[in-house]
Amino acid sequence: EAQVTQNPRYLITVTGKKLTVTCSQNMNHEYMSWYRQDPGLGLRQIYYSMNVEVTDKGDVPEGYKVSRKEKRNFPLILESPSPNQTSLYFCASSLSWWQGDSYEQYFGPGTRLTVT
Amino acid sequence: KQEVTQIPAALSVPEGENLVLNCSFTDSAIYNLQWFRQDPGKGLTSLLLIQSSQREQTSGRLNASLDKSSGRSTLYIAASQPGDSATYLCAVKGRGSYIPTFGRGTSLIVHP
Repeated sequence: EAQVTQNPRYLITVTGKKLTVTCSQNMNHEYMSWYRQDPGLGLRQIYYSMNVEVTDKGDVPEGYKVSRKEKRNFPLILESPSPNQTSLYFCASSLSWWQGDSYEQYFGPGTRLTVT
Repeated sequence: KQEVTQIPAALSVPEGENLVLNCSFTDSAIYNLQWFRQDPGKGLTSLLLIQSSQREQTSGRLNASLDKSSGRSTLYIAASQPGDSATYLCAVKGRGSYIPTFGRGTSLIVHP
């Protein structure tokens, strides 16, 4: 089954304790991205990756890191989480996202993160 | 900068009604517009993708139209059912941007 998977689905942690949220897709998609969703603010993109070893900032990258060493995986790293990073996080992928491309985005199930 | 607006923000209708959800965007230079459904606390499920060259797309009881020149898309849901209750979001891929722009969504409740 074609899908985007995220782990963990739920995470409660404390301020300053480094964490990683994993994202994997099995559709051979080039483009992957991370979003956070907050009440009243909607979906905001954190980082995106056009392909392996090609990543760039989205609208709200502060406090986050990403890496893209393999095509299928795109982990989101919070080096020193703070309470304002409490949110619902989504990973998404698309076949390609270069200018001129027009493909669907597929989303993972979400990771609910609480930082106390 | 592209802005996407969805009106209304919330909608409550009785079962069986045909309804229309609206999505407006400020910059008509887009590649596509995608409609999603999101159940509470869950991920986004893709419903329909309309290319900039298309006028509409249909899937079952759903029909999405696109009028690029006026910056509008509508999602038509025929014969609504309680199972259609969810938040519906639209997103555009604009020319010159690698970041899609999402609307805030329309929260739909279909009551029996």
